[in-house]
Amino acid sequence: EAQVTQNPRYLITVTGKKLTVTCSQNMNHEYMSWYRQDPGLGLRQIYYSMNVEVTDKGDVPEGYKVSRKEKRNFPLILESPSPNQTSLYFCASFSRTGLNEQYFGPGTRLTVT
Amino acid sequence: AQTVTQSQPEMSVQEAETVTLSCTYDTSESDYYLFWYKQPPSRQMILVIRQEAYKQQNATENRFSVNFQKAAKSFSLKISDSQLGDAAMYFCAYRSAWSNFGNEKLTFGTGTRLTIIP
Repeated sequence: EAQVTQNPRYLITVTGKKLTVTCSQNMNHEYMSWYRQDPGLGLRQIYYSMNVEVTDKGDVPEGYKVSRKEKRNFPLILESPSPNQTSLYFCASFSRTGLNEQYFGPGTRLTVT
Repeated sequence: AQTVTQSQPEMSVQEAETVTLSCTYDTSESDYYLFWYKQPPSRQMILVIRQEAYKQQNATENRFSVNFQKAAKSFSLKISDSQLGDAAMYFCAYRSAWSNFGNEKLTFGTGTRLTIIP
């Protein structure tokens, strides 16, 4: 089954404690992206990756890092989380050669206290 | 930069009735894609319908259809015969057909929460 998986689904942490949210897709997609969803703001892009070892900033990259060492994985790293990073996070993958549709992961609810 | 506006934060409809959700967007591009996503309480993002800007015919998927007005930059979603399972947050989204340095970014509106009244 074609899917994007994220872990963990829920996370409560404290300010300053480094964390990683993993994202993996099994569709051999070149393109992957991270979004955050906040009430009244919709979803906003954090980072994206065109392919292995190629990443770039989206609209709200401050406080986040990413890496793309393998095609299937695109982890989101918060080196020093702060309360304003409390949000719902989505990973997405996409291939232009496919159905021209972005596939979303199930979301990760992060709370930083 | 492109923007997407959903001016109805909340809507409600009687079960089995028809409801229309509004979306407007701003772009200087001529070729792009528009989408409606559904987000039920499970938080999963589910693609409901897509429209290619170069197609004049409005997209339809079963009970879901769109009214795409390119000149007016309007892209509304009509849900016919509303069902309890349609209750969700609905997001309108835009994507350029020609990516800038490979960024296939979706630009989202702020969402419309749809309630179905039994």
